[in-house]
Amino acid sequence: AQKVTQAQTEISVVEKEDVTLDCVYETRDTTYYLFWYKQPPSGELVFLIRRNSFDEQNEISGRYSWNFQKSTSSFNFTITASQVVDSAVYFCALKGVGTYKYIFGTGTRLKVLA
Amino acid sequence: GAGVSQSPRYKVTKRGQDVALRCDPISGHVSLYWYRQALGQGPEFLTYFNYEAQQDKSGLPNDRFSAERPEGSISTLTIQRTEQRDSAMYRCASSLVTRGQGRGNTIYFGEGSWLTVV
Repeated sequence: AQKVTQAQTEISVVEKEDVTLDCVYETRDTTYYLFWYKQPPSGELVFLIRRNSFDEQNEISGRYSWNFQKSTSSFNFTITASQVVDSAVYFCALKGVGTYKYIFGTGTRLKVLA
Repeated sequence: GAGVSQSPRYKVTKRGQDVALRCDPISGHVSLYWYRQALGQGPEFLTYFNYEAQQDKSGLPNDRFSAERPEGSISTLTIQRTEQRDSAMYRCASSLVTRGQGRGNTIYFGEGSWLTVV
């Protein structure tokens, strides 16, 4: 079975602090794909990043960075110098080979306080 | 269209009524998904279409739920005899292409349809 765990239900930080959102996944597939999505207060789900299981290179996009570690089955997301506009619910998702389903975690609500 | 379009955005219905939720995927996207998201939860898979073929409906909770995509573009999710437990956000997503279920293409979501059953 495939599973995504986001143990942090809610995180509050003060603006300009760095924050890391954790994502731990379970899958028996050797090839799989990992995703992060952002759900701002307006409610839409916005795609942030996609990562293949065979590419463990970490990625940085502006203030966002992602740390993929197969050894610990984790795909963590760090926001550097957080801003109020980063306040949202963030979802990690997994898709394995042999299924059409994208499995989502329960999300982490991030509150960035001015 | 530029993005996935869903309608209605908000729907309040009385228990026992049927509702139909519409999804217009991104132009050219052949894969289409329906997800349901309860308050405080992550999206849960309902069903998947490849063109007009419904290839996985294992997530539909019971036979009151059905979906179709007759021409391989617009899709409709229908809930018959609605119950209060059906209240949730219903999300549609699409992706450009699939070369079999093994591919992990990015899926792009619409704004969702909020359903409230009273």
